[in-house]
Amino acid sequence: KQEVTQIPAALSVPEGENLVLNCSFTDSAIYNLQWFRQDPGKGLTSLLLIQSSQREQTSGRLNASLDKSSGRSTLYIAASQPGDSATYLCAVRTHNTDKLIFGTGTRLQVFP
Amino acid sequence: NAGVMQNPRHLVRRRGQEARLRCSPMKGHSHVYWYRQLPEEGLKFMVYLQKENIIDESGMPKERFSAEFPKEGPSILRIQQVVRGDSAAYFCASSPPDSSRPQHFGDGTRLSIL
Repeated sequence: KQEVTQIPAALSVPEGENLVLNCSFTDSAIYNLQWFRQDPGKGLTSLLLIQSSQREQTSGRLNASLDKSSGRSTLYIAASQPGDSATYLCAVRTHNTDKLIFGTGTRLQVFP
Repeated sequence: NAGVMQNPRHLVRRRGQEARLRCSPMKGHSHVYWYRQLPEEGLKFMVYLQKENIIDESGMPKERFSAEFPKEGPSILRIQQVVRGDSAAYFCASSPPDSSRPQHFGDGTRLSIL
């Protein structure tokens, strides 16, 4: 059974810091991995999607890497800003299903 | 191109009533997924539908819950005889037939049971 874990559960940093959010999964037979952002009371915004054959994806100040063999993904946020404050979720999709299995998220606060 | 549209945004029901949650997928998306987020918990998959077909309902409670995605109109998640434990945020996502593409989520329906 696939399980997804995110560490840390919460993170508070000053503006300008570079930071890394971690996601680990127990079954390496994944189809792809998706990182989302969720603002309080809102839905999920898709940030990056990494296919199982890829090592990383970049979008602006965000970079996501994937090491399928070790069951890990990281989301790197460069030069953090207060507007980055949100909960970040990773989700994996396995080969035999279309559903996403979510981690419990990292709650990020960036203070000025 | 409008995103995934869910309504209502907030829904209040008394115990024993029925709740109907609606989801219109993005244009060109034929796959719909429903997820539930209980207070202080992560999102859990409930059901995956394509037009007129339920593909995977492994996350759906066996009783009181049903889902449909008719040929015309939005997908509906229906909860009969609601109980306090049904209080949660219900999210709908959609994707195109190409399964390598990301799922896009709506803003959710916050269901509160009195």
